[in-house]
Amino acid sequence: GAGVSQTPSNKVTEKGKYVELRCDPISGHTALYWYRQSLGQGPEFLIYFQGTGAADDSGLPNDRFFAVRPEGSVSTLKIQRTERGDSAVYLCASSNRGRSGELFFGEGSRLTVL
Amino acid sequence: GENVEQHPSTLSVQEGDSAVIKCTYSDSASNYFPWYKQELGKGPQLIIDIRSNVGEKKDQRIAVTLNKTAKHFSLHITETQPEDSAVYFCAASIGRSRTSYDKVIFGPGTSLSVIP
Repeated sequence: GAGVSQTPSNKVTEKGKYVELRCDPISGHTALYWYRQSLGQGPEFLIYFQGTGAADDSGLPNDRFFAVRPEGSVSTLKIQRTERGDSAVYLCASSNRGRSGELFFGEGSRLTVL
Repeated sequence: GENVEQHPSTLSVQEGDSAVIKCTYSDSASNYFPWYKQELGKGPQLIIDIRSNVGEKKDQRIAVTLNKTAKHFSLHITETQPEDSAVYFCAASIGRSRTSYDKVIFGPGTSLSVIP
């Protein structure tokens, strides 16, 4: 497809479980971002990649959160030992930094931790 | 780090009236200020942006103004229509060049309702 694709769209898990969220960016976009959005809040920055490397991971809340982008395209956000407070919509965005600062967002993965 | 504040949190206007949303930012190094619109169940979508070398920018019914001295920027929507109803986010970033930007920090959002 032409846009940013995120899977799964919905994920329900139990406290303490491990979760992976996948992001497939727009082809050719070198920058990829992860944000977390709680109900009624703005997107909260987590991490961004320029190519394969994490250019800025200062938004990751703790060491239970980790993200990878091994080939510079698809990215996976990994959350270990999930807690109820991790429940949110996780948004991925990609950008062609060579042209503008615009971020193109996916529709998000809604995570519910019971 | 950068902190972006936004108000009002909710705004209700009659169709055809204007809507104004105001934001402030804290990091004087920020020089790129985008605005995003988010509809229910969708990801945010860029509607307009402004860079610090420009004080105002207009695109049809939408305009943005920037006051770098005061660290304020605003979104103005004229002749509002029901399809303008959505959540609007202001944001700030540091553009180190045309090809290199730091992370984008978002405000908390304004829920705009346009009443027919």
